[in-house]
Amino acid sequence: EEQLVESGGVLVKPGGSLRLSCATSGFTFTYAWMSWVRQAPGKGLEWVGRIKSQGGGGTIHYGAPVKDRFTISRDDSKSTLFLQMNNLQTEDTAMYFCVHNTGEERFGYWGQGTLVTVSS
Amino acid sequence: QSALTQPASVSGSPGQSITISCTGTSSDVGDYNLVSWYQQHPGKAPKLMIYGGGKRPSGVSTRFSVSGSGNSASLTVSGLQPEDEADYYCCSYAGGGTSYVFGTGTKVTVL
Repeated sequence: EEQLVESGGVLVKPGGSLRLSCATSGFTFTYAWMSWVRQAPGKGLEWVGRIKSQGGGGTIHYGAPVKDRFTISRDDSKSTLFLQMNNLQTEDTAMYFCVHNTGEERFGYWGQGTLVTVSS
Repeated sequence: QSALTQPASVSGSPGQSITISCTGTSSDVGDYNLVSWYQQHPGKAPKLMIYGGGKRPSGVSTRFSVSGSGNSASLTVSGLQPEDEADYYCCSYAGGGTSYVFGTGTKVTVL
């Protein structure tokens, strides 16, 4: 059974930084394309970014609102995905979901999310 | 890239069918084989319901189906059941494979 467990969400001040982690199991992480998707309180889903497998080129793409501030990385030896968030703004307040792209056009398995609150 | 447009809410009685539209542009929803649909119950993570022009992951009811026309895709839920009450989101794989755009979301209420 696939499992994705996010951690690292906390209350942080505007301008601050935070690193989220996503520990995975139940599938071959090395071959997996992985994404982060966020959801602001009471709002809809927003794609944050995606990292391909190393075998797929390891290419990373980001959504426009986070480009140049957020960085996605992966540690295949630990089956773990990361999201480094810098210069956080109040509009980054959201639940952040770690997602396994079971096909490049779809988000097949989701973690339960970790809450990031940006407030002074 | 702007969010895809969905109706804010749709409702139906048990046993009825409902349809949720998802409207975008030729560069996103234009190929509805690249559109996927997600169900989200309150306080839960989203769940993949349909992808690839009508494929359902294991365990998803055949009561869920999709169609597409022009720059719109639609999700139909047949034989509405109480457990279908949830938020639904469409999502398109866009930008030549470099981005994804979600719909605005639709709250489905079972009367």
